[in-house]
Amino acid sequence: GNSVTQMEGPVTLSEEAFLTINCTYTATGYPSLFWYVQYPGEGLQLLLKATKADDKGSNKGFEATYRKETTSFHLEKGSVQVSDSAVYFCALQTGANNLFFGTGTRLTVIP
Amino acid sequence: GAVVSQHPSWVICKSGTSVKIECRSLDFQATTMFWYRQFPKQSLMLMATSNEGSKATYEQGVEKDKFLINHASLTLSTLTVTSAHPEDSSFYICSARDLTDTGELFFGEGSRLTVL
Repeated sequence: GNSVTQMEGPVTLSEEAFLTINCTYTATGYPSLFWYVQYPGEGLQLLLKATKADDKGSNKGFEATYRKETTSFHLEKGSVQVSDSAVYFCALQTGANNLFFGTGTRLTVIP
Repeated sequence: GAVVSQHPSWVICKSGTSVKIECRSLDFQATTMFWYRQFPKQSLMLMATSNEGSKATYEQGVEKDKFLINHASLTLSTLTVTSAHPEDSSFYICSARDLTDTGELFFGEGSRLTVL
């Protein structure tokens, strides 16, 4: 079946620290992989995506590389800011419609 | 980006009553909208796919008579939780795909339902 496992939070970091949020997946076929972010009081927003192996998605300083050999799509950022505080969801999509989400990881960045 | 709005953002109701949650695409048309449910510390689980002008497609294990979905226009889908019970308390999230877009989904901010 299809599933996504991401590291449990919450994660608390100081400003300018390095961020890694781990995400691994199980899927039939060749999924597309996504990271969504949910800021307080807002809906989920697409942060970045990768549609095939070895692709790297990037946006707003965040990066994630689609690793087929390790079935992973870890999210990284070299220097986090207070404004990055949010909940981050890893997700995969195998068909036209359904997204399978991880449980979400809450990130809090302190000044 | 495109905006999807849900209303109400939170609601408290008594057991046995029905609650309607609206999902609107504000600046685009969506033939397909999706309803998710999220339990604390768990993933978003797809409940149903809402198609404009036709019956919704429910995921396995979701009671269609319990969770009524109506997608009456290209910008509005509603989820009605009928005869709500405390176990229906949850966070409900909708998403919509732009009619002219190839894939990106836009999400509402979610609606928290608490049934007393």
